[in-house]
Amino acid sequence: GQNIDQPTEMTATEGAIVQINCTYQTSGFNGLFWYQQHAGEAPTFLSYNVLDGLEEKGRFSSFLSRSKGYSYLLLKELQMKDSASYLCARAGNYGQNFVFGPGTRLSVLP
Amino acid sequence: DGGITQSPKYLFRKEGQNVTLSCEQNLNHDAMYWYRQDPGQGLRLIYYSQIVNDFQKGDIAEGYSVSREKKESFPLTVTSAQKNPTAFYLCASSIRGYVYTFGSGTRLTVV
Repeated sequence: GQNIDQPTEMTATEGAIVQINCTYQTSGFNGLFWYQQHAGEAPTFLSYNVLDGLEEKGRFSSFLSRSKGYSYLLLKELQMKDSASYLCARAGNYGQNFVFGPGTRLSVLP
Repeated sequence: DGGITQSPKYLFRKEGQNVTLSCEQNLNHDAMYWYRQDPGQGLRLIYYSQIVNDFQKGDIAEGYSVSREKKESFPLTVTSAQKNPTAFYLCASSIRGYVYTFGSGTRLTVV
């Protein structure tokens, strides 16, 4: 199977740091993507990891461990506008399609 | 600017009616996809196409049909056989098999 697991909901305070975890099946793995989706809108691309380690991009960072089938998205200095769903998606071998996780709904409170 | 255009933004369907959702891209991407999203849930793949004149069923293709006559266009028809079509429909395109860009979506409601 290609199950991807994420927590359903998370809550954090403005200015804080939050880590959103994602676990996936490791067979045929070819990259892990994170998307942000505000309610009623299309997902927008945040990050892509294909090698182990941390990728930093401003307030957002994404980490990958291929051997553990594990990734996380780290959001620093949270802002109210970060309230959204965060989807992780696993890419398979060429010709296969993305499999999206169910998404984690993040609420940032003042 | 390059991107994906979906239309209409909102669509209402009567019982027993077929409706077609438009998706056009000018990114020169080979692959195009249709996803369905239900409230509070993730994206589920309906159909995908990797080249012109070829397309494959995704996980939930029943009640839907597509065509890919041009590289730029990948319309989705929601047929009367789809018993629960109310959802948010997203079109996407990619290069090298990686989903990078989504359209703005069509919200379909059965009335």
